[in-house]
Amino acid sequence: NAGVTQTPKFQVLKTGQSMTLQCAQDMNHEYMSWYRQDPGMGLRLIHYSVGAGITDQGEVPNGYNVSRSTTEDFPLRLLSAAPSQTSVYFCASSYGRDGYNEQFFGPGTRLTVL
Amino acid sequence: KQEVTQIPAALSVPEGENLVLNCSFTDSAIYNLQWFRQDPGKGLTSLLLIQSSQREQTSGRLNASLDKSSGRSTLYIAASQPGDSATYLCAVRMYNNNDMRFGAGTRLTVKP
Repeated sequence: NAGVTQTPKFQVLKTGQSMTLQCAQDMNHEYMSWYRQDPGMGLRLIHYSVGAGITDQGEVPNGYNVSRSTTEDFPLRLLSAAPSQTSVYFCASSYGRDGYNEQFFGPGTRLTVL
Repeated sequence: KQEVTQIPAALSVPEGENLVLNCSFTDSAIYNLQWFRQDPGKGLTSLLLIQSSQREQTSGRLNASLDKSSGRSTLYIAASQPGDSATYLCAVRMYNNNDMRFGAGTRLTVKP
């Protein structure tokens, strides 16, 4: 199993540009989520999905969109990038939506918005 | 609102020492608590997962405890090694909305 994969690893954007961060998992996990990590603040949940066709907002959803057309993929879209979105983005997945399942994380995407 | 705090923010110890990392949380309505390790520029690696009904979990030199009523968890590392140097994060899985809340982490340095 490749586990949770993310692309790209690094990205530089100009303010106002849009882009999609890719996330895929090959473990047949129902639950997938996106976090951002900022210095001194830990990880914060952006959006999550409990299965194909179902998504919901987390703690910091503004400026981001998600969709879940397949079990494997959960892309994160930045609609109009802002410097405040400079961060490291992590995708995670777990087998089910209940809390008894361990979460697995991808290697992260480091995004800089100029 | 759930707040997760990790103290200290940074810790430096000589090789061979036993050490304890602390994690506290404000809302005891949790599914579980998970400890992660993060190396610089890397993703998170899960170390231990403690369900809300459990008191502790062990894996090798690591032991994690959970006292849900007092909102505390500790990660005990025995006989520390330079390879243990990393940032350690704790996270609680919320019971009501499946959200996961993270602490800011403790940056551990083990000196040879």
